[in-house]
Amino acid sequence: KAGVTQTPRYLIKTRGQQVTLSCSPISGHRSVSWYQQTPGQGLQFLFEYFSETQRNKGNFPGRFSGRQFSNSRSEMNVSTLELGDSALYLCASSSGMGDQGHNEQFFGPGTRLTVL
Amino acid sequence: AQSVTQLGSHVSVSEGALVLLRCNYSSSVPPYLFWYVQYPNQGLQLLLKYTSAATLVKGINGFEAEFKKSETSFHLTKPSAHMSDAAEYFCAVSHIGGFKTIFGAGTRLFVKA
Repeated sequence: KAGVTQTPRYLIKTRGQQVTLSCSPISGHRSVSWYQQTPGQGLQFLFEYFSETQRNKGNFPGRFSGRQFSNSRSEMNVSTLELGDSALYLCASSSGMGDQGHNEQFFGPGTRLTVL
Repeated sequence: AQSVTQLGSHVSVSEGALVLLRCNYSSSVPPYLFWYVQYPNQGLQLLLKYTSAATLVKGINGFEAEFKKSETSFHLTKPSAHMSDAAEYFCAVSHIGGFKTIFGAGTRLFVKA
């Protein structure tokens, strides 16, 4: 089974621009979660989607948004980029079924975003 | 509300020595607890998880962790460190029906030859 894939792997943008990151989950997985990883803040939860619906979101400003398509692929968008948005953005997929609380998450390699 | 505290952002051990990475959690409901490992330039990989069955949980690569409710701890151990264990380790907490996992700040493990 192919793992979680994220594209692109690296991105360089300037302040004020917007960016879209893509995540393809493991085949059959319907839940996709997004995390921001920085040296200072660690891993912070952005949002989780299941069957095209956002089920939970973290404490990030409205500039961060996401969506999920009918094939479970997900995108996240960051508008009006700030220097502090530089981070590794990780996507994780899981089955999303049953008690989601203990389902293992399978992580992609991440997209490294640098904002200049 | 749930939270996770990992004691020590960096831990250094000699090859063959005991590995002990500390994790304390806070949860108002019975927790699910996880340990993930991240190698350079890779995503996270699950090492083991506690879901209210046995309190001593065995994972991959010889790691294990013990859930201690009275101490609200879930420390990760390995009897003998290998060079290949050098990585960053994350403790995480969720709960029944939860759609969100909270991660600790991570502990970077260094293994000296």
